Amino acid sequence: AQTVTQSQPEMSVQEAETVTLSCTYDTSESDYYLFWYKQPPSRQMILVIRQEAYKQQNATENRFSVNFQKAAKSFSLKISDSQLGDAAMYFCAYTGTSGTYKYIFGTGTRLKVLA
Amino acid sequence: SAVISQKPSRDICQRGTSLTIQCQVDSQVTMMFWYRQQPGQSLTLIATANQGSEATYESGFVIDKFPISRPNLTFSTLTVSNMSPEDSSIYLCSVEGRGQTQYFGPGTRLLVL
Repeated sequence: AQTVTQSQPEMSVQEAETVTLSCTYDTSESDYYLFWYKQPPSRQMILVIRQEAYKQQNATENRFSVNFQKAAKSFSLKISDSQLGDAAMYFCAYTGTSGTYKYIFGTGTRLKVLA
Repeated sequence: SAVISQKPSRDICQRGTSLTIQCQVDSQVTMMFWYRQQPGQSLTLIATANQGSEATYESGFVIDKFPISRPNLTFSTLTVSNMSPEDSSIYLCSVEGRGQTQYFGPGTRLLVL
């Protein structure tokens, strides 16, 4: 069975600095998708970034980028130039390519941004 | 990405009663999903609701407790039946997007007294 592990319950970063959130997963599948979602306090869960396992290139979205290490089954999120609005819970998620779209979520990392 | 709305956004209910949560999406989608997020926790999938078929429930969730309707490609409801304080959670719906991506609604915050 697939699992997703986020080993950092909470992280802090100074405004304008860079922070990396960790995510590891376990799967026997060779093709799959990985995601980072952001859930601000009392607000909607939104997609931050998406990675397709068959793509070697790491995904980037503006200040957000991933370090995808397929062999190590690692999928970390780097946030550059952190802003106060980045404060949120961040969830790592995995889904296979079976067509069910079922996600496996990690337990989340709470990111605090210090002014 | 899809625009998803949920009603109600929050509610306070008495134990033993039922609440129906609505999820509306601005485009036609085949798959809709219902999740529960207990305070400070991650998301747990309750069921997958495909239009034209019975919902598929995950282990630990049953239709009698969480009946789901999916009358068309843009709408679904989740009912939380015979509520107890343990049902106090955020309930979220989501829909499929391109490339196995899910897009989430704003959630319904439920408090059961």
